[in-house]
Amino acid sequence: KAGVTQTPRYLIKTRGQQVTLSCSPISGHRSVSWYQQTPGQGLQFLFEYFSETQRNKGNFPGRFSGRQFSNSRSEMNVSTLELGDSALYLCASSPFVENTEAFFGQGTRLTVV
Amino acid sequence: AQKVTQAQTEISVVEKEDVTLDCVYETRDTTYYLFWYKQPPSGELVFLIRRNSFDEQNEISGRYSWNFQKSTSSFNFTITASQVVDSAVYFCALSEALGGRRALTFGSGTRLQVQP
Repeated sequence: KAGVTQTPRYLIKTRGQQVTLSCSPISGHRSVSWYQQTPGQGLQFLFEYFSETQRNKGNFPGRFSGRQFSNSRSEMNVSTLELGDSALYLCASSPFVENTEAFFGQGTRLTVV
Repeated sequence: AQKVTQAQTEISVVEKEDVTLDCVYETRDTTYYLFWYKQPPSGELVFLIRRNSFDEQNEISGRYSWNFQKSTSSFNFTITASQVVDSAVYFCALSEALGGRRALTFGSGTRLQVQP
């Protein structure tokens, strides 16, 4: 069974640009969550999607957005990139079973220059 | 608000030593879940264990064991006879249980280095 796939693995963007990251969950998993990992703030929850609906959102500015498609694949977008957005962005998928474990992808490392 | 504290930033041991990683949590929920994840250098978070707040029974899985004590709000993780492959960053995490919301609150992580 294939795991969670995130693309691209590495990305370099310039301040002010926007970026889109992609996540394909494990087959059959309908919930996708996104996390940001930085050395300073650690792992922080961004948002969670289920059945194309955002169910939960972390404390991030509106520049961070996401969506989920009917096949459960998810994308997150960051507009007007700032240097502080440089981070490892991790996607996790889980079946819609209450609080089962989340399975994480290898992440996309975004560097903003 | 939920909070997870991993006071040990980095631990270094020699192979075959036992090591315990501490985790203390805060929550106002009476029903919640606790997790441990391992993050090797490749970056992905690898699930190790989940515990719900009603199950204080300790668990052992091979060289890994977990001690959940609700009275002290702790969920500690012990690796017995550590190996070099155990070198990684370990995260403790907490999530609320009501409504099936799976947002995880992570601790800051403990970097474990196992020297040969």
